[in-house]
Amino acid sequence: KNQVEQSPQSLIILEGKNCTLQCNYTVSPFSNLRWYKQDTGRGPVSLTIMTFSENTKSNGRYTATLDADTKQSSLHITASQLSDSASYICVVSAGQAGTALIFGKGTTLSVSS
Amino acid sequence: DVKVTQSSRYLVKRTGEKVFLECVQDMDHENMFWYRQDPGLGLRLIYFSYDVKMKEKGDIPEGYSVSREKKERFSLILESASTNQTSMYLCASSSLTTGNTEAFFGQGTRLTVV
Repeated sequence: KNQVEQSPQSLIILEGKNCTLQCNYTVSPFSNLRWYKQDTGRGPVSLTIMTFSENTKSNGRYTATLDADTKQSSLHITASQLSDSASYICVVSAGQAGTALIFGKGTTLSVSS
Repeated sequence: DVKVTQSSRYLVKRTGEKVFLECVQDMDHENMFWYRQDPGLGLRLIYFSYDVKMKEKGDIPEGYSVSREKKERFSLILESASTNQTSMYLCASSSLTTGNTEAFFGQGTRLTVV
């Protein structure tokens, strides 16, 4: 069964600190993996996309990694800001057309001052 | 700028009412999706459509139906609303272009059934 597991479920950090969110997946056939950020009361917005051949991709203070062998991805946030407080959702696309989107349940990050 | 627009941000309906949630996208996307999002359960797929007048059941279609008469519009229908359908509903669209599978989401509709 296609599954995406995220950890931790929630996380509280101080402003300025770094943090890493984890995503493990069992999805076949794998197309790509995206990290989405969802602010409270809003729809998710894509942060990064990673295909099978990519190991690392950065988007500002966000850096995503992918290990296709172990089927693990991480999202590292550097020098966190209050605006980083949100839910982060790992989504794996299955199949060539990517119609099958497998969602993780998300990690809720709270950044406090 | 790409846009997926849901007709309402907040809705309150009574048990037994027929409820329509509308979603419009302006990106000429083939795929459109309806999800519900509940605490601790994440996003769960209700229905999706990959073409006009085509629809496929997702993981939790019971109690819902959909309509896609035009490419840009995808409607979710609750035939007889029940309290367990109180949730956040998210519409999304994506292109069928190979290698570009980003789903763009609407702002969500928070539905409360009383």
